[in-house]
Amino acid sequence: SQQGEEDPQALSIQEGENATMNCSYKTSINNLQWYRQNSGRGLVHLILIRSNEREKHSGRLRVTLDTSKKSSSLLITASRAADTASYFCATDGGGSNYKLTFGKGTLLTVNP
Amino acid sequence: DAGVIQSPRHEVTEMGQEVTLRCKPISGHNSLFWYRQTMMRGLELLIYFNNNVPIDDSGMPEDRFSAKMPNASFSTLKIQPSEPRDSAVYFCASSSIDLNEKLFFGSGTQLSVL
Repeated sequence: SQQGEEDPQALSIQEGENATMNCSYKTSINNLQWYRQNSGRGLVHLILIRSNEREKHSGRLRVTLDTSKKSSSLLITASRAADTASYFCATDGGGSNYKLTFGKGTLLTVNP
Repeated sequence: DAGVIQSPRHEVTEMGQEVTLRCKPISGHNSLFWYRQTMMRGLELLIYFNNNVPIDDSGMPEDRFSAKMPNASFSTLKIQPSEPRDSAVYFCASSSIDLNEKLFFGSGTQLSVL
């Protein structure tokens, strides 16, 4: 069963705008990760945030984590056409449960 | 490093045939994961290994699926006999010492069972 659930399923914006994607999950976690997938390719790791962290930055990416609401958000600032891809959140099951499960993803389209 | 290497890149076979997918993880990584991706079900974890030992195979659909990791540099996922509903993209991923650290994915095998 899916642990993470991304929202929205699809998002279309103009170049230069910010894109926000959300992820909700069901159980306790050790960490939450975000991945990107270009069409026809494997997933690429973007950022990992641990359960005791609330916010993390990496370049134009900002991730927040609210463990009380079991939710996370990924913000991409100043988007570019090259950011067009599917974005997935992934969570483990907490404790010694290292199974990393993925949501169904958000398809982001950045129009030039 | 060449990254995670999967073969073949594409596989087209007929129902009932045996299919073997191959994966070479990144050197030094001791965890290996097999995922299946479809439009309907998204990314599903099939099985994962730690230090060549299968830890959790609860995601393996049924007895037709089997996976092995005979050594730290090679793993196979076998489907016998294959069925049209097995058509999907199969990904292999590896990670280093900590099981819940980031995964490095291969390019996947696009499997079509006719």
